[in-house]
Amino acid sequence: AQTVTQSQPEMSVQEAETVTLSCTYDTSESDYYLFWYKQPPSRQMILVIRQEAYKQQNATENRFSVNFQKAAKSFSLKISDSQLGDAAMYFCAYRSANYGGSQGNLIFGKGTKLSVKP
Amino acid sequence: NAGVTQTPKFQVLKTGQSMTLQCAQDMNHNSMYWYRQDPGMGLRLIYYSASEGTTDKGEVPNGYNVSRLNKREFSLRLESAAPSQTSVYFCASSMGRAKRNTEAFFGQGTRLTVV
Repeated sequence: AQTVTQSQPEMSVQEAETVTLSCTYDTSESDYYLFWYKQPPSRQMILVIRQEAYKQQNATENRFSVNFQKAAKSFSLKISDSQLGDAAMYFCAYRSANYGGSQGNLIFGKGTKLSVKP
Repeated sequence: NAGVTQTPKFQVLKTGQSMTLQCAQDMNHNSMYWYRQDPGMGLRLIYYSASEGTTDKGEVPNGYNVSRLNKREFSLRLESAAPSQTSVYFCASSMGRAKRNTEAFFGQGTRLTVV
């Protein structure tokens, strides 16, 4: 079974600085997707960024980028120029590309609470 | 665009009471899911429906039942609520096996307290 581990329960960053959130995962599959979701106090789950395992290039979305190390099974999220609105819980998630069985199910890490200091 | 709509947003139940959480999506998605979120535990899958007419157990199905009423709607029922079911519940949907590179879209969650 696949697992996702976020080893940092809480992180803090100064406004305008850069912060990196860590995520590792365990799988025997070669084809899968990885995601970072943001959950602000409103509870809404918001997709921040996705990575396809067969793509070597790291995904980037504006101030958000990932460092995807497939061999090391590592998927960290870097937030540049942090803003007060980035304060939230961040969840790393894994999804198999295997279309049999539980297709589409997301497996989540336990989350990292990010605080942004003005 | 409504996306995924869950009702209710908040609910307080007494131990032993029953209730149904409703979920509907308007994105023509094939797959729907119910997750629960507990402090320090992330989101855990309760049940899912890969396509209309099918449902399967997830990681934590005990104490719950589901119904995929049609392609749009997927409900979660607690037959006899217990304090251990106090949690935030999320419904989600995705295209499922029909497409690659598809994310899950989430409802706004239901905060359920069982006293």
